[in-house]
Amino acid sequence: GNSVTQMEGPVTLSEEAFLTINCTYTATGYPSLFWYVQYPGEGLQLLLKATKADDKGSNKGFEATYRKETTSFHLEKGSVQVSDSAVYFCALAGGTSYGKLTFGQGTILTVHP
Amino acid sequence: GAVVSQHPSWVICKSGTSVKIECRSLDFQATTMFWYRQFPKQSLMLMATSNEGSKATYEQGVEKDKFLINHASLTLSTLTVTSAHPEDSSFYICSANPSGSNTDTQYFGPGTRLTVL
Repeated sequence: GNSVTQMEGPVTLSEEAFLTINCTYTATGYPSLFWYVQYPGEGLQLLLKATKADDKGSNKGFEATYRKETTSFHLEKGSVQVSDSAVYFCALAGGTSYGKLTFGQGTILTVHP
Repeated sequence: GAVVSQHPSWVICKSGTSVKIECRSLDFQATTMFWYRQFPKQSLMLMATSNEGSKATYEQGVEKDKFLINHASLTLSTLTVTSAHPEDSSFYICSANPSGSNTDTQYFGPGTRLTVL
């Protein structure tokens, strides 16, 4: 079946630091890959997505590239802000689980001024 | 746009009672909605897929008689936790897939915190 593994947190950074959150996946077929963000007290929001190999998803300064050869979809941001503090989830859909999302365990990010 | 609400946002109940959680798509129709459960510091686990006008599809290990799902309209799905016990305490999250959109597009509700005493 499908699975997603994220780097364990929590991750604590100073403002303007570089962020990487690793994500690797296991799936048959050609899944779509996602990063969702959950701000305190709010529901999950789609941050970015990529639907095929070598696609790069980007939004709000965050980027992730679909790497089929390494089955990875690492999230990066060049300069984080305090407002980026949230929980980040890597997820995939498709493969053998058509239409269903499989989530990683989530990574808590805290950014200090 | 694409707002999903859940009601209540939190609920405390006594062991043995039943609790109903509502999930509404406020500005779009959703043929398919999903119910997830999230344990503290853990990921979201899909419980079931709810399809308007038909029976829900439950994931392996989820008791369909304990977690009753009704999707009676294109904007409302309900999850009823029957005869709740303390181990059912969790954060329940729903999502909705807009009718006619790509199947991997989901908009999430803010979640419902259930505490069973």
